[in-house]
Parts: sequence; C-alpha cells; structure tokens
Amino acid sequence: NAGVTQTPKFQVLKTGQSMTLQCAQDMNHNSMYWYRQDPGMGLRLIYYSASEGTTDKGEVPNGYNVSRLNKREFSLRLESAAPSQTSVYFCASSEYAGNYGYTFGSGTRLTVV
Amino acid sequence: GENVEQHPSTLSVQEGDSAVIKCTYSDSASNYFPWYKQELGKRPQLIIDIRSNVGEKKDQRIAVTLNKTAKHFSLHITETQPEDSAVYFCAASRAGNQFYFGTGTSLTVIP
Repeated sequence: NAGVTQTPKFQVLKTGQSMTLQCAQDMNHNSMYWYRQDPGMGLRLIYYSASEGTTDKGEVPNGYNVSRLNKREFSLRLESAAPSQTSVYFCASSEYAGNYGYTFGSGTRLTVV
Repeated sequence: GENVEQHPSTLSVQEGDSAVIKCTYSDSASNYFPWYKQELGKRPQLIIDIRSNVGEKKDQRIAVTLNKTAKHFSLHITETQPEDSAVYFCAASRAGNQFYFGTGTSLTVIP
C-alpha cells in the first residue's frame, strides 16, 4: 500500500519550460489536492478535485493547470515556468472533501532558474 | 471563505514540559479540525483530528480541545520529547469543502 505517490522528487527547469507533476493514490480516495509550500508561507492550495470529473481553483491557481485523469491520478502542469514557481509541491488525497484527513505525498522540490 | 489564525509562530520548550498551540477560525459552519506535524524535509502527517460534536480528544501525549462558541481549538502536547520538534499546522473545514490551514508553529524541544 503505497499511499500517495508523487513524481518526480526533484526537478530543475529553465524559465519558460513546461512540465507535469504526477500524483497517484491507491487508497480509493475521492478527493485530491495540489499544494505549494514556500518558506514561511505555510501550505497554499493550488487546485483540488473533490471527485472524479471535477476540478476547482484554490488560493493560488495562476500559472497552473490540472487534470483529474481518473480516480487515482491527479496531475499538475506548469505551462511556462517562472522563478516565482520555485517551491515544494505536495499532492494530497482524502476519502471525501472536507471531513476527512489528508494523506500527503512526499513532495516535489522544483527549482526554476 | 474561512480564515484560520495560528499562534504562536515559534515555540521553544524544555524537554518534559508541555506545549500548547492555538488556532481560531471564522466560519461557524466548519466542523472538522485536523492537526498535522511536518518534520524538516518531510511531508505533513495527520496526528490528531476533532469533529465539532466533540469537545476534547486525546491520543497518548497529544490532545486537542475545541470551543465552538469561541471558535477556537488547541493542540496540547505533554511530556515533550526532542522528537516532537517539528512544524505543526492546524486546519478547519466543512463537508465538501477544502481545508483552510493555519500558517504553522515551529516547535523546538530543548533537551
């Protein structure tokens, strides 16, 4: 039982490059989330998917897109990376949105130069 | 939307002492309050949670209390140990909604 798996763990991009962060969960959870964590800023929600087939913007969605590929997988895409997107990205999942604890992935450390 | 405030932002205690972290929330409809622990370089992990129909919950050395009238909830860690050193986040949510996280408390337990 792997829980929430994120790939890659580390990535360096040049400004303007694109990439997709992958996330998969094997807990049959309905809801999935993408957060970014910057020093001193806590956890900020980028996008979430309350259930398969739905996605909603969070606090900081600009510069990102998401795809809920199926119940297990939720990807985050940076179309044109900027230095301001240098951060640690966490994917999380929960049984349902709101009243159930999150399980977080191990994170992706992204540096944009 | 919901607004969660967390205090203090940093906390240092001597090993064996107690630590208390407090959070307030603004949305009276919030009914689920989890606490997460994040060690340096690691993912946040759920350590305890409480629902609005309960006033207090304990799990060994950690406890959470909830005051719905005042809209605040607190994490209590007793007999602190060096391995309790981490950043702790509170959150508030309601059914079908996202979590709203506090800004975190960096706890240092001094041996």
